[in-house]
Amino acid sequence: EVQLVESGGGLVQPGGSLRLSCAASGFSFSTYWMSWLRQAPGKGLEWVANIKRDGSEIYSADSIKGRFTVSRDNAKSSLYLHMNSLRAEDTAVYYCARGNGEYVIYFDYWGQGTLVTVSS
Amino acid sequence: DIQMTQSPSTLSASVGDRVTITCRASQSIGTWLAWYQQKPGKAPKVLIYKASNLESGVPSRFSGSGSGTEFTLTISSLQPDDFATYYCQQYHTYYTFGQGTKLEI
Repeated sequence: EVQLVESGGGLVQPGGSLRLSCAASGFSFSTYWMSWLRQAPGKGLEWVANIKRDGSEIYSADSIKGRFTVSRDNAKSSLYLHMNSLRAEDTAVYYCARGNGEYVIYFDYWGQGTLVTVSS
Repeated sequence: DIQMTQSPSTLSASVGDRVTITCRASQSIGTWLAWYQQKPGKAPKVLIYKASNLESGVPSRFSGSGSGTEFTLTISSLQPDDFATYYCQQYHTYYTFGQGTKLEI
């Protein structure tokens, strides 16, 4: 059974940093693109970033460029999101998701999400 | 950026009804479109990919169609479990979602 479990969310002050983790199991992690998406409270879904199977390619949304970094450790079947210079508008539930497809991907499995709240 | 617009934003229906949700893209995306269902407090679940392909395990009452800029998600006979919010998502150029359609009783 595919499982994605996020952790690391919490309350952080504006300008602060946080690292989210996503532990994957039930599939061959190193053979899939992985992604982060987010959903602000009561709002719609927003793609944040993708990372290729071997970590050699990363794509990210303009809203987080220069502030967030995505990485992965295939030996640990884990995905990470390093978030710096956090703003109030980054408050959201952050989901990790598996990308289905060779290069053009959709998101076929999602974790349960972890809430990040940016507030003083 | 490719913008995705869903209609309606809210849809009231009854068990057994046939319902259709429309999604329009601001430019042609071929068939690079997915549909997701989300229930309160839960992660989205993919229903349809590549516009018309049913994801494994998804009931056959769900179907998708369209190409280019106009797409539809149809539920042939609503079940109680189907009342949720539905999102379309393009994956032609990066990824953008529609604003969602809340399907309520």
